Amino acid sequence: DAGVTQSPTHLIKTRGQQVTLRCSPKSGHDTVSWYQQALGQGPQFIFQYYEEEERQRGNFPDRFSGHQFPNYSSELNVNALLLGDSALYLCASSLTGGYNQPQHFGDGTRLSIL
Amino acid sequence: SQQGEEDPQALSIQEGENATMNCSYKTSINNLQWYRQNSGRGLVHLILIRSNEREKHSGRLRVTLDTSKKSSSLLITASRAADTASYFCASSSNAGGTSYGKLTFGQGTILTVHP
Repeated sequence: DAGVTQSPTHLIKTRGQQVTLRCSPKSGHDTVSWYQQALGQGPQFIFQYYEEEERQRGNFPDRFSGHQFPNYSSELNVNALLLGDSALYLCASSLTGGYNQPQHFGDGTRLSIL
Repeated sequence: SQQGEEDPQALSIQEGENATMNCSYKTSINNLQWYRQNSGRGLVHLILIRSNEREKHSGRLRVTLDTSKKSSSLLITASRAADTASYFCASSSNAGGTSYGKLTFGQGTILTVHP
């Protein structure tokens, strides 16, 4: 039973570029959430996708956008990259109905902005 | 911004000792969850305690929740070197009437267990 998988594991970009990160949820899960974790900090919620729509969003600018596909996999896109976007980006999946369900996390994508 | 605060920020103990970590949060919650993160890896779910529960056990883990004080604690008994990791509490808030499982994390406690 595959868990949450994310790709790529590491990525290096320069300021102003755009990046796409990918996530496949745990088998049977239909809800995907994205988190940003800066070094030495706890993860911060970016947004959550369910039924191919953004259902809830954290305090992140519009440069951060996402998508969910019919197979429940998801992408996170970040435009006009800033140095402050350097972080570990974590994808988490869960079952419908969400709020009393544990979330299952992937190992993340380490994004470095030069 | 982080809703939760964790205490202590770092904890260093010997194998076999107990480790206690505390967490505070600010809004009313559906549940509070604890996660472990090994260096550079993803988060592993440890335990979920609902707002109407006061204590929960899972193996060597014991979690308490005091909603009147908006606080929780995680106790790891008989610690092992393999327990060395960062531990995070995460709250699922029901403030505002809509909750889809968004988690608000604390800044974490770094636990080091010496063999």
